[in-house]
Amino acid sequence: QSALTQPASVSGSPGQSITISCTRTSSDVGTYNLVSWYQHIPGKAPKLMIYEATTRPSGVSNRFSASQSGNTASLTISGLQAEDEADYYCSLYVSSSLLFGGGTKLTVL
Amino acid sequence: QVQLVESGGALVKPGGSLRLSCAASRFTFSDYYMSWIRQAPGKGLEWVSYISSGGGDIQYADSVKGRFTISRDNAKNSLYLQMNNLRAEDTAVYYCAKDGGYSGYAFDYWGQGTLVTVSS
Repeated sequence: QSALTQPASVSGSPGQSITISCTRTSSDVGTYNLVSWYQHIPGKAPKLMIYEATTRPSGVSNRFSASQSGNTASLTISGLQAEDEADYYCSLYVSSSLLFGGGTKLTVL
Repeated sequence: QVQLVESGGALVKPGGSLRLSCAASRFTFSDYYMSWIRQAPGKGLEWVSYISSGGGDIQYADSVKGRFTISRDNAKNSLYLQMNNLRAEDTAVYYCAKDGGYSGYAFDYWGQGTLVTVSS
C-alpha cells in the first residue's frame, strides 16, 4: 500500500483551476519538501513538472504550481487546457527507495 | 535534447529471464544516477531500481529484490536491467529515467518504455 495517497480523479473545464493533493499516510515518510510531480499522457514518456516540492523545471508552463502544507503536497493547474488531460503522479524519496502516489486522472471537460 | 531509448522487452514465460537495455545520449551519462520505473497495465508508476553514477550505490524495490539486477556501462552510455524468475505481476512497460541531480530524486528525462509481458 502506497504511503502517498492521491485522489483517483479530478476534472475541470477549460480556463478553470484544479488542485491535486498528495497526502503522506505514514509519519516517517521521508523529507516531505522533496516531493516531485509528473505528468503522464498514455503512450508517451512521463514528464517532470515539479521537483523539490515547488520548483518548476525550465520549459514547464507557469500554469503549473505546487505547494505543501503539513502532510499534504498539492499540484495546482490554472487556466486548464485540453492538453493538460493526463495522469499526474507525486513521488518521494524515502529510505533509499522511491515512492509514487497512486496517480490522479485529470479530465478536462 | 537528452535521449533515452529502451529495448529488450518481449513476451516471456513465467520463471524466464530477460535483459532490458537503455541507450543514453546527448548528456554526460557517467555523471548521473539512473533508474528503472515500470507501469503495469491499468496501474500507476512503480519505481523498480536505481544505480549511482559510478555503480557503487544500488537499490531495489522489495517486489524485485533478489530477482532483478541493475547495471550500467558508462563507456557505452548504457543502462541495463537483468530480470530473472519473472512472474506474471512483472508484466509492465519498463521505463529508464535519468535523475535530474536535484535533492530527493526527480527524473528529468524518461524513455518511451519497453513492454515486458510474462505469460504462459
